[in-house]
Amino acid sequence: NAGVTQTPKFRVLKTGQSMTLLCAQDMNHEYMYWYRQDPGMGLRLIHYSVGEGTTAKGEVPDGYNVSRLKKQNFLLGLESAAPSQTSVYFCASSYSKVGSAEAFFGQGTRLTVV
Amino acid sequence: AQTVTQSQPEMSVQEAETVTLSCTYDTSESDYYLFWYKQPPSRQMILVIRQEAYKQQNATENRFSVNFQKAAKSFSLKISDSQLGDAAMYFCAYLHAAGNKLTFGGGTRVLVKP
Repeated sequence: NAGVTQTPKFRVLKTGQSMTLLCAQDMNHEYMYWYRQDPGMGLRLIHYSVGEGTTAKGEVPDGYNVSRLKKQNFLLGLESAAPSQTSVYFCASSYSKVGSAEAFFGQGTRLTVV
Repeated sequence: AQTVTQSQPEMSVQEAETVTLSCTYDTSESDYYLFWYKQPPSRQMILVIRQEAYKQQNATENRFSVNFQKAAKSFSLKISDSQLGDAAMYFCAYLHAAGNKLTFGGGTRVLVKP
């Protein structure tokens, strides 16, 4: 049982390049989330999904897109990377709403945009 | 918008001693959940303890306990009999019962001295 797996774990991008972060969960969870973590700011929600085929904006969605074509996968895309997107990105999933079930987190992806 | 504040950037504790981490939050809602997450150097986010706002009894999980003061909007975490493995970043988080956005504080780094 792998839980929540993020790919890749590290990446360096040049400004303007694009990339996709993959999140996969094997717990049949309905809810999936993408957060970014910056020093002193905790985790901020980028986008989330309440089920296959659905996505919604979180607190800091600008510059990111997401897709949930399969229940077990949640993809985060950066179409044109900017240095401000240098951060650690976390994916999480939960069976139902976070408050009524534990949210499981991936190990994070450290992204540097130069 | 809900905000979560952790006023202590770093706390140091002697092994086997007790340390208390503070967290305050701002909300106009009455039904919500509060969490403490631990993030060790591995970056993995681990749920430590959860508190439902409608429950007056403070949550306890082994050596971890909370002091939930709803009127004061305070949610502190006490770590008793501190162990070297408790060294990590600790994040306080808030979730409105009808919402999907888990709001995090900026974190407190706990150092455990042998």
